[in-house]
Amino acid sequence: QKEVEQNSGPLSVPEGAIASLNCTYSDRGSQSFFWYRQYSGKSPELIMFIYSNGDKEDGRFTAQLNKASQYVSLLIRDSQPSDSATYLCASRNTGGFKTIFGAGTRLFVKA
Amino acid sequence: GAGVSQTPSNKVTEKGKYVELRCDPISGHTALYWYRQSLGQGPEFLIYFQGTGAADDSGLPNDRFFAVRPEGSVSTLKIQRTERGDSAVYLCASSLTASEGNTGELFFGEGSRLTVL
Repeated sequence: QKEVEQNSGPLSVPEGAIASLNCTYSDRGSQSFFWYRQYSGKSPELIMFIYSNGDKEDGRFTAQLNKASQYVSLLIRDSQPSDSATYLCASRNTGGFKTIFGAGTRLFVKA
Repeated sequence: GAGVSQTPSNKVTEKGKYVELRCDPISGHTALYWYRQSLGQGPEFLIYFQGTGAADDSGLPNDRFFAVRPEGSVSTLKIQRTERGDSAVYLCASSLTASEGNTGELFFGEGSRLTVL
């Protein structure tokens, strides 16, 4: 079992719709969770982080964390074609610095 | 801006050769990471440094891979006797120490694309 698992997709949504990206993790010691966006041919860049159970909103993005279910999600509201990219879920342990990435979910937003 | 710098951006080598990839992190970042990313996959953890020491090298695939960070800044990833399966993009990232007020966000370089023929 991989430490961080994501559906590789692709996930295709129409412009203006809500895109929902999901991630599960196996290590209960994981405390911080990150969503990175990676455009084709580019390096990952952070878009959200979360470490408390519940929701965290930043603009059109909402991250959700459920530690009991070991589940993290990212919602993108009013999806735009420019949101088309691979979204990487990552986890990190408290007291450590090792950050583990999932395989990523490819998102396509159709104009 | 002074982001993470990686050299070379592209490296083509022959099977069996030795390769060095260099990473210059953001100034003041104490943590430095190496990842390997193959097409269609997420970054695969190789090693991270806290200062000069390798705090976790559990991701290095075998003893052909080695990394150093002698002065706590620039790091070099060294691959001996390269194999075709080593072909990938090698990403370096740096971060501040994760502590109160710091998220531990990773800042990535543009990567070094290694092709082993």
